[in-house]
Amino acid sequence: GESVGLHLPTLSVQEGDNSIINCAYSNSASDYFIWYKQESGKGPQFIIDIRSNMDKRQGQRVTVLLNKTVKHLSLQIAATQPGDSAVYFCAAAKSGTYKYIFGTGTRLKVLA
Amino acid sequence: GAGVSQSPSNKVTEKGKDVELRCDPISGHTALYWYRQSLGQGLEFLIYFQGNSAPDKSGLPSDRFSAERTGGSVSTLTIQRTQQEDSAVYLCASSFSGTKNQPQHFGDGTRLSIL
Repeated sequence: GESVGLHLPTLSVQEGDNSIINCAYSNSASDYFIWYKQESGKGPQFIIDIRSNMDKRQGQRVTVLLNKTVKHLSLQIAATQPGDSAVYFCAAAKSGTYKYIFGTGTRLKVLA
Repeated sequence: GAGVSQSPSNKVTEKGKDVELRCDPISGHTALYWYRQSLGQGLEFLIYFQGNSAPDKSGLPSDRFSAERTGGSVSTLTIQRTQQEDSAVYLCASSFSGTKNQPQHFGDGTRLSIL
């Protein structure tokens, strides 16, 4: 079946450094992707999304890169801050469908 | 409020009791989802509502689980005769449209503990 997976369950970065969180998806028909941030005790918070007609999209301190050839996307966080500590996971969907396939998440730890 | 609201935030109950979880979606969002999140696991799809269409109940794990959405807005998820394996965080999400590639926005969930 379809799957979305992250490469690392945990990522530790120094405060101020850039973070890169990776995600791979299995369904080549997926054309919509979302990154979420989930802090302890809270629900997932939408960060940024990207459609398959784009390779890159930038938000505030975040950039998502999409490589459709290898079915891979990444989330880059610039100048990582303590408030960025959370679990990050991606989701993939196909146009016209409503079911998103969610990954299990990478826990980002920001070291002071 | 501006976001998805869920209540209660925490629920502790004895095995065998029924529980009802509530979700108030973002105003104007026609799509509403329920998910279950167990510790260290990804989101498990339970049920999807879109407008007045028949819901997709394919993710409900047993007939003890049911959900309804009244007036296209507030939804309740009911678990009858709760079991210990029902312990999890139940998340509700809504989106402007379920099929037009719009992000789902989540509430903070109900943490359900079955003793």
